[in-house]
Amino acid sequence: KNEVEQSPQNLTAQEGEFITINCSYSVGISALHWLQQHPGGGIVSLFMLSSGKKKHGRLIATINIQEKHSSLHITASHPRDSAVYICAAMGGGGADGLTFGKGTHLIIQP
Amino acid sequence: NAGVMQNPRHLVRRRGQEARLRCSPMKGHSHVYWYRQLPEEGLKFMVYLQKENIIDESGMPKERFSAEFPKEGPSILRIQQVVRGDSAAYFCASSPTGIEQYFGPGTRLTVT
Repeated sequence: KNEVEQSPQNLTAQEGEFITINCSYSVGISALHWLQQHPGGGIVSLFMLSSGKKKHGRLIATINIQEKHSSLHITASHPRDSAVYICAAMGGGGADGLTFGKGTHLIIQP
Repeated sequence: NAGVMQNPRHLVRRRGQEARLRCSPMKGHSHVYWYRQLPEEGLKFMVYLQKENIIDESGMPKERFSAEFPKEGPSILRIQQVVRGDSAAYFCASSPTGIEQYFGPGTRLTVT
């Protein structure tokens, strides 16, 4: 069974700060997802990674397959980035669905 | 291309009733996943289906829960004889390949 750990659990930062959220997993995977969940609960898929780095606007996601570790970065953070960020591992551990981390509650203060 | 649709968005059932949750995948997507998010907990995988087949139901409770994805129409998650502990948000996700996943808005089930 794949174990997915995220850190930090909670993060409060000032507008404009550079944000890093970390994710580690225990078993080799086929892909890693980063998701965003806003209050009200809808889930948006931000990235799917199997290697290297992806960038979309102010968001950057990286993955190190050898170290079983991924990071999500937010540059020039803004209050509208406030949400729960969830990493989820695909493959490894037997089940076909995603295995989710507990999420990082991010609050960006103006 | 419309996104993944789920209905109803909110569902209230009394203990002992049945709940039926529907998920219409994106056009061209033949893979459907169901996930559950209990209050104050993370998301958990329940079941993975392709058209007319259950591929992996290892996350589904053994009793009262069933899922189907017929040749025509939406995928259905069915919960019989609901109990208070079934109150949760149920999300489905669809995929064209089984790897990238697109999430629906969720159905919030409340059991009274």
